[in-house]
Amino acid sequence: ETGVTQSPTHLIKTRGQQVTLRCSSQSGHNTVSWYQQALGQGPQFIFQYYREEENGRGNFPPRFSGLQFPNYSSELNVNALELDDSALYLCASSAGQRQETQYFGPGTRLLVL
Amino acid sequence: DQQVKQNSPSLSVQEGRISILNCDYTNSMFDYFLWYKKYPAEGPTFLISISSIKDKNEDGRFTVFLNKSAKHLSLHIVPSQPGDSAVYFCAAISQIQGAQKLVFGQGTRLTINP
Repeated sequence: ETGVTQSPTHLIKTRGQQVTLRCSSQSGHNTVSWYQQALGQGPQFIFQYYREEENGRGNFPPRFSGLQFPNYSSELNVNALELDDSALYLCASSAGQRQETQYFGPGTRLLVL
Repeated sequence: DQQVKQNSPSLSVQEGRISILNCDYTNSMFDYFLWYKKYPAEGPTFLISISSIKDKNEDGRFTVFLNKSAKHLSLHIVPSQPGDSAVYFCAAISQIQGAQKLVFGQGTRLTINP
């Protein structure tokens, strides 16, 4: 059984560009949540996907969007990158929507110049 | 609006002694709390949790205490070991639309000194 994996591990982009981050959920998990962790802060909830539908969104602008695929893997897309988007992006998967038993991936560190 | 706060950015403890990490919350609707541990280059890993119907939960060297009237919880690690050196996050489960989300504190970096 593999855990949650994310790609790429690191990424450098410039302001205005677009980025796609990927997450493979743990086997048997149908729910994926995405979090943004800025330097020195705790992770902040971006949104959650359950059975390919977005079913909850945090306080992030529409230029943050996502997808979940039939195999429950997920993508996070960020358009029109801003300097403040520089952060560690974490995805977490769980079996069902309850958050007590979710597992986090190692994250993708994004730097926007 | 920081609903979960960890006011100590760092804590240094001698090996073998007790480590106490603190967390405060403001939202009285929170009814389930978790502690996560994070090493560099890894995602947070679940450590221990507590429901609001309890005031204590213990798992080996780790004990979490919840004081609902004070909206305060703490994580006790005893005895502390070098491998406990990590960043610890306190989190609460919150309902948002059709989903549950975790609301995290800022984290406390724990260093265990030999």
